[in-house]
Amino acid sequence: QSVLTQPPSVSAAPGQKVTISCSGSSSNIGNNYVFWYQKLPGTAPKLLIYDNNKRPSGIPDRFSGSKSGTSATLGITGLQTGDEADYYCGTWDGSLSAGVFGGGTKLTVL
Amino acid sequence: QVQLVQSGAEVKKPGASVKVSCKASGYTFTNYGINWVRQAPGQGLEWMGWISGYNGNTNYAQNLQGRVTMTTDTSTSTAFMELRSLRSDDTAMYYCARANVYTPGGYWGQGTLVTVSS
Repeated sequence: QSVLTQPPSVSAAPGQKVTISCSGSSSNIGNNYVFWYQKLPGTAPKLLIYDNNKRPSGIPDRFSGSKSGTSATLGITGLQTGDEADYYCGTWDGSLSAGVFGGGTKLTVL
Repeated sequence: QVQLVQSGAEVKKPGASVKVSCKASGYTFTNYGINWVRQAPGQGLEWMGWISGYNGNTNYAQNLQGRVTMTTDTSTSTAFMELRSLRSDDTAMYYCARANVYTPGGYWGQGTLVTVSS
């Protein structure tokens, strides 16, 4: 049981838009920055979004992040087959004094 | 450029210990912490802990307290993660990542596969 809650899976057609939600509490998302990672099989996680809505250099603007209260959302527009991956949200939990991840969301591009 | 290079795969028996290294380059090691994250087969990402590159302060996941120790050697810009009393469910890919404050940031090691099997 993950501290942060994500939907197990989402799907959409190529070219479409998808959003992935991440729900937490005041001890984590509510008072800390949210990060989003893309995980492909056999590779290390890749940072997509940091500090709720900032993109590292090299991450296309098709990827966006937002946060409201104790929830965060990752948006991906112009879906490509190469976007098929597992996506994880993460943040710090002040009550646990620990980093926490969501359970991950598998994105299928139909 | 920032790089984190981890030690090679390990096979251990239940009850043994494993120590994984993570050698950093391309930045000032003492300016950033290091997170350790693992992923068991078919499972999600699990945060294991954080160590300061500056003074060695640590935070460990509650479920690993007492079995995990994270250390650094600033002279070689290397972080280490030791896990003791290994069990079969410790079989996983282990990653180090440079911390963005306390959370894994944009630079990750390539991963070290630890297999625990009798």
